[in-house]
Amino acid sequence: QVQLVQSGAEVKKPGASVTVSCKGSGYIFTGNYIHWVRQAPGQGLEWMAWINPNSGGTLYAQKFQGSVTVTRDTSSSTAYMDLRGLTSDDTAVYYCARGGVGATAWIFDSWGQGTLVTVSS
Amino acid sequence: DIQMTQSPSSLSASVGDRVTITCRASQDISIDLAWFQQKPGKAPKSLIYGASRLQSGVPSKFSGSGSGTDFTLTISSLQPEDFATYYCQQYKSYPLTFGGGTKVEIK
Repeated sequence: QVQLVQSGAEVKKPGASVTVSCKGSGYIFTGNYIHWVRQAPGQGLEWMAWINPNSGGTLYAQKFQGSVTVTRDTSSSTAYMDLRGLTSDDTAVYYCARGGVGATAWIFDSWGQGTLVTVSS
Repeated sequence: DIQMTQSPSSLSASVGDRVTITCRASQDISIDLAWFQQKPGKAPKSLIYGASRLQSGVPSKFSGSGSGTDFTLTISSLQPEDFATYYCQQYKSYPLTFGGGTKVEIK
């Protein structure tokens, strides 16, 4: 079955960077887009970016351009999300989600379990 | 950006009730709309895409309708496992945007 398994919780100081990983299994990793979505405590969902694991192509929400980089390693079926210049506003649970194929690339069908990133001095 | 507005923001219902949640887009999104269910401390679960198409494995008590700017999610007979927060999301254009959520609580 399709699974996305994310890395564990992180605690970072303001100004630092964090990397969250998302390992796909149960499907052909390069066949489906991976999206990143975050959720601040008690708040709603916010889309950040996607990566096409086949080509490495990416698209970022304007809000995150310059502070977020998404990459992938096809040999390990893992996608990564790097967030730089952390502030307390970046304290959130970060999710990866699998998109579809081709014209359905932006339709999510499976989600990772989430990674809590806490930014605190 | 396309704004997604859900109503109500919360509701109380009893087991067995029929529940309807509304989602409105700030511009025409055709049927490029998805619904998600999220339970406390858990990742969202994908329920519906294309406004009315159930994701694999989602029970038929969930249904979606609408097109253009107005959409609804209906749960035909609320069960204890359905108490959760529900989000709509448009994927007509980037950035992908979500509604603010509707919390379905036990009456």
